[in-house]
Amino acid sequence: QKEVEQNSGPLSVPEGAIASLNCTYSDRVSQSFFWYRQYSGKSPELIMSIYSNGDKEDGRFTAQLNKASQYVSLLIRDSQPSDSATYLCAVKRGGGSEKLVFGKGTKLTVNP
Amino acid sequence: GAVVSQHPSRVICKSGTSVKIECRSLDFQATTMFWYRQFPKKSLMLMATSNEGSKATYEQGVEKDKFLINHASLTLSTLTVTSAHPEDSSFYICSAPRDAQETQYFGPGTRLLVL
Repeated sequence: QKEVEQNSGPLSVPEGAIASLNCTYSDRVSQSFFWYRQYSGKSPELIMSIYSNGDKEDGRFTAQLNKASQYVSLLIRDSQPSDSATYLCAVKRGGGSEKLVFGKGTKLTVNP
Repeated sequence: GAVVSQHPSRVICKSGTSVKIECRSLDFQATTMFWYRQFPKKSLMLMATSNEGSKATYEQGVEKDKFLINHASLTLSTLTVTSAHPEDSSFYICSAPRDAQETQYFGPGTRLLVL
């Protein structure tokens, strides 16, 4: 089983819709979870971080974490064409390691 | 604004030459930095962890003699690609952890093309 799994997509949604991105992880002791957005040809940009179970909202973005199910998701409300990018889920291992383990990313296309 | 910078943003070199890429943390100190490589349409691959004042830790399969890492100060890490070959052409990105949760922020990346 891969450490961090994401549906590679592509995920296509119409403008104004909610985009839902999902991620599962295998290491139960993971403590920190991140969503990065990467535009084509650019480096990853932090969108959200979440550390405790439940929801965390920031503008149009909501991250959801369920440690029991080892599941983290990102919802993008009122999707815009500018949200079209690859979204990377990243998990920081426990045990004092600072390394991030990345999923392969989900490519999102928002159609005008 | 940007919290991690990289230089150069783009470099073209001849096969066999060495190329140095700098990664700087802006307005914060980073005892650890990370170097990634990304081939077109592929996922990020962690190459090594750069440790200030000590040797870098390389991921399995990454040649430490080819990818030299020096973390000489708390704000600067360098990656030198030695004797570069066309297959080393890639997008090299560094990151540095910041804040109490050690959130990693990425530099803008360096695109290397080896002819």
